[in-house]
Amino acid sequence: EVQLVESGGGLVKPGGSLRLSCATSGFSLSSYTMNWVRQAPGKGLEWVSSISSSTTYIFYADSVRGRFTISRDNAKNSLYLQMNSLRVEDTAVYYCAREDYASSSCDYWGQGTLVTVSA
Amino acid sequence: SYVLTQPPSVSVAPGQTARITCGGDNIGSKSVHWYQQKPGQAPVLVVYDDSDRPSGIPERFSGSNSGNTATLTISRVEAGDEADYYCQVWDSSDNYPKVFGGGTKLTVL
Repeated sequence: EVQLVESGGGLVKPGGSLRLSCATSGFSLSSYTMNWVRQAPGKGLEWVSSISSSTTYIFYADSVRGRFTISRDNAKNSLYLQMNSLRVEDTAVYYCAREDYASSSCDYWGQGTLVTVSA
Repeated sequence: SYVLTQPPSVSVAPGQTARITCGGDNIGSKSVHWYQQKPGQAPVLVVYDDSDRPSGIPERFSGSNSGNTATLTISRVEAGDEADYYCQVWDSSDNYPKVFGGGTKLTVL
């Protein structure tokens, strides 16, 4: 069974940092592109970042480029999102999502971890 | 970056057909995916590549895509279908590989 479990969320002050993790199981992480998608309270889904299976391709949304860094450790079956210089508008539930290699859809999602940026 | 436009809300009576649209410039040339999200839950993929269904998704969910509009159709709507629905495309033209629509709240009357 495919499972994605996010962790690392919490309350942080503006300007602070946080590192999110996504532990995966039930599939070979090394074969898949992975994504982070966030959802601000009461708002829609916003794609944040993608990383290809071998880390050759990494993309970021304009809203986080230069502040967030996506990475992965295939040996540890884990995906990460290092978030620096956090802003109030980064407050959201952050989901990790596996990307189906044929369709580029996100076929499996974690349950999400809440990041709250507030003074 | 590419923009996807969805109606904020759609209402339908049980047993009827719901149609949720997703507008975008020449969206018919792209593959469209649809997600269902119920309150407090993670999104679930219900249609991929315009009209294919993942295993476990009822046949009542179908999709189409042509011109500037993609459509998610839910036949014989049930109370349990009440949720937010999001369309998504992969945009290879720039560095924004994934774009989501703003979401549509489906209300079952």
